[in-house]
Amino acid sequence: GENVEQHPSTLSVQEGDSAVIKCTYSDSASNYFPWYKQELGKGPQLIIDIRSNVGEKKDQRIAVTLNKTAKHFSLHITETQPEDSAVYFCALNSGNTPLVFGKGTRLSVIA
Amino acid sequence: GEEVAQTPKHLVRGEGQKAKLYCAPIKGHSYVFWYQQVLKNEFKFLISFQNENVFDETGMPKERFSAKCLPNSPCSLEIQATKLEDSAVYFCASSQSFRGDEQFFGPGTRLTVL
Repeated sequence: GENVEQHPSTLSVQEGDSAVIKCTYSDSASNYFPWYKQELGKGPQLIIDIRSNVGEKKDQRIAVTLNKTAKHFSLHITETQPEDSAVYFCALNSGNTPLVFGKGTRLSVIA
Repeated sequence: GEEVAQTPKHLVRGEGQKAKLYCAPIKGHSYVFWYQQVLKNEFKFLISFQNENVFDETGMPKERFSAKCLPNSPCSLEIQATKLEDSAVYFCASSQSFRGDEQFFGPGTRLTVL
């Protein structure tokens, strides 16, 4: 089945700096790429997503880029704040398959 | 409702006992998904439903796990004869469609098998 590699597994940034998390995949049929934020003891929260016909999408301080040729997509968080600290998961699906998740990135924003 | 609801929040069972988890999807969402999140944060897909019909059950350990989504009732995930390795957080998600539509997750049920 499809496999998603997510890097890095942990990331520490100073408040106000940017954070970038990258995921790579192998199935060229993948066409939907969401990102989830999971805080301790809570369910994953969808924060942004992108579909295969778009190369970039931005929502305030969060952006996602997709390179279908190279089969990777990235989450960019600018002007990080302490409340951005959480575990972030990339995911994808292709056609009728369920979501496949990366293994998560623990982001710590240091005030 | 506007959010996916899951009950109970925590569930503790002795090995060999039965566990039953419930999920109410967002009103108007036709698809329900169950995922298992184990200690290393990894998500494992279990089963999905389109209304009350099983859509994809490729992730289900069929010998002990079963699930239902009946009309006018919360969906349920049942584990017969729980094992230690069933300890995990079980998440339910719902979406309006299967292909490329947002899946919204509930708060999860933490199952601990002693």
